[in-house]
Amino acid sequence: DIVMTQSPFSLAVSEGEMVTINCKSSQSLLSSGNQKNYLAWYQQKPGQSPKLLIYYASTRQSGVPDRFIGSGSGTDFTLTISDVQAEDLADYYCLQHYSSPNTFGAGTKLELK
Amino acid sequence: QVTLKESGPGMLQPSKTLSLTCSFSGFSLSTSGMVVSWIRQPSGKSLEWLAAIDWDGDKYYNPSLKSRLTVSKDTSNTQVFLKITSVDIADTATYYCARRRDYGSYFDYWGQGVMVTVSS
Repeated sequence: DIVMTQSPFSLAVSEGEMVTINCKSSQSLLSSGNQKNYLAWYQQKPGQSPKLLIYYASTRQSGVPDRFIGSGSGTDFTLTISDVQAEDLADYYCLQHYSSPNTFGAGTKLELK
Repeated sequence: QVTLKESGPGMLQPSKTLSLTCSFSGFSLSTSGMVVSWIRQPSGKSLEWLAAIDWDGDKYYNPSLKSRLTVSKDTSNTQVFLKITSVDIADTATYYCARRRDYGSYFDYWGQGVMVTVSS
């Protein structure tokens, strides 16, 4: 199985700050066939199901604010949230969908400082 | 509008079989490439992919649980089912079903989840 190592476990921020969340995979997620990285980011608020933010490492899902930016390739990926808003306080997870079984990172809890 | 909704027993005893249903609308599981997956999340923990079934009826399982899992779908392609045999306390979790538009793709729509507690 591909292991997804996500960091940090938690992050305390003030509104308006920029934060970065990291995800490292134990194997490359880059497809040689289509040059896409099979890495997605999800946001999960308390009591809700995960919501897709970013797919193929850097493509923002429709309706997601442009302050959410995904980057990285191969084994190292980053989710950057610029100008954090109170509504962004949630848990964030990375997912590799390169190979089965698909695996998730341990999650990052974004909290208010 | 794509929607998925899970249903289940809420609580069951150890060693029993857990049966879950995912009812969905807004897409057809008979559409080429479409896949519905089951994913679970223990309270306060991360997510674990369990199983999937695709438009053609092919089934996929997490090897760590494969011997206990059975995924199926109804003939009208509007519901997907998951059975987990011999449950124990470690199976206590919120269970989600989620859609992907092809097997290698990401999960784009999720259900609201159903909480299942295994307790004697």
